[in-house]
Amino acid sequence: QSALTQPRSVSGSPGQSVTISCTGTSSDVGGYNYVSWYQQHPGKAPKLMIYDVTKRPSGVPDRFSGSKSDNTASLTISGLQAEDEADYYCCSYAGSYTYVFGTGTKVTVL
Amino acid sequence: QVTLRESGPALVKPTQTLTLTCSFSGFSLSTSGMCVTWVRQPPGEALEWLARIDGDDNKYYTTSLKTRLIISKDTSKNQVVLTMTNMDPVDTATYYCARKDSSSSAYFDYWGQGTLVTVSS
Repeated sequence: QSALTQPRSVSGSPGQSVTISCTGTSSDVGGYNYVSWYQQHPGKAPKLMIYDVTKRPSGVPDRFSGSKSDNTASLTISGLQAEDEADYYCCSYAGSYTYVFGTGTKVTVL
Repeated sequence: QVTLRESGPALVKPTQTLTLTCSFSGFSLSTSGMCVTWVRQPPGEALEWLARIDGDDNKYYTTSLKTRLIISKDTSKNQVVLTMTNMDPVDTATYYCARKDSSSSAYFDYWGQGTLVTVSS
């Protein structure tokens, strides 16, 4: 159960789009359509932003979208806003009722 | 309204056993497919999934810590307890509990605020 690989940081100006990748293996990301994404502001608990690769929970802006190709999932934030500055973590089901998180990406709004 | 709250000691000594309690409301572990999971986060580091338990008392653990973890539940009290033995300074982290709400889901929709546990002599 090695952690999924995410870029350490991404940045963009307000209004721009940024994409965060999440690379795993055929035993986790590539094997199931069970990738979720969490936003975490400093000192706060994670918040669910995307589940089942592409679905958004109620209340999450449609600026957030998810996708997956083979062993890599992606989170795209369109129309970047100041409040989007946070850490983002992907998570995948890894079989046998276990889960694995990503290494985390810091999103900076310039 | 779903809420979860973690409680336990803020400081433990190396080699001691840590016991954390997740007290929740707004849902029941008796509901089919409902699960409570534990996740930790060392300061400045990434999230790490630790363990989960469901209403049928099925328990699952991360492979790397399987020999040190025990998860249990008290359905009548709406509590889940995580025990971690032989604590080490590298186990210093914020420990979160979270809910997974159905057997067909693989995401955690509600989280507690977390509790910071420091391991130091």
